[in-house]
Amino acid sequence: GAVVSQHPSWVICKSGTSVKIECRSLDFQATTMFWYRQFPKQSLMLMATSNEGSKATYEQGVEKDKFLINHASLTLSTLTVTSAHPEDSSFYICSAWATSGRGIDTQYFGPGTRLTVL
Amino acid sequence: AQKVTQAQTEISVVEKEDVTLDCVYETRDTTYYLFWYKQPPSGELVFLIRRNSFDEQNEISGRYSWNFQKSTSSFNFTITASQVVDSAVYFCAPLDSNYQLIWGAGTKLIIKP
Repeated sequence: GAVVSQHPSWVICKSGTSVKIECRSLDFQATTMFWYRQFPKQSLMLMATSNEGSKATYEQGVEKDKFLINHASLTLSTLTVTSAHPEDSSFYICSAWATSGRGIDTQYFGPGTRLTVL
Repeated sequence: AQKVTQAQTEISVVEKEDVTLDCVYETRDTTYYLFWYKQPPSGELVFLIRRNSFDEQNEISGRYSWNFQKSTSSFNFTITASQVVDSAVYFCAPLDSNYQLIWGAGTKLIIKP
């Protein structure tokens, strides 16, 4: 199936610093990517929809100035957690729609980035 | 709006047992799609299946099978002869009209050797 990569896979940072997470579609182009966060033992929560060449669409309750999204190309979206605080510690996952080998549109997910803010 | 219920928070079985994970959804759409994903301890979500609402034929893929019942709005997932490697959290997720997946709480499946 289609491959979505994320970098870094984990990051530890001090409170107040900014962290950038990259999401790449490796073998397909993605005009739209999605960013999720997942707290331990909980389900996925959609944060925002990243649109190539335009502004991201944020879900209600997600601070767009806190979580900056840039979708500069058809294969790369970045999520920057600005002035991170311990409550931002979470598992961040990106995804994108692609057509599988069986011709089925499927949302493929990156391996996730575990952010720990000290 | 779409909604999904995975009533089983956690299931624990012994290896080689069959296990069924329940999924009940709500939708006002006449045509819709349903997905199942697996999230092993590594955290990476793995796509398992996509079902169209207009195709009620049940599907089997190896030890995995899915029972789609449109009349009861259920899309249950059965693993036959479970293996330890099947241990994971499984999510049922309908697709809403905005082309976004609606995530259930997930069912944690523990397969004991």
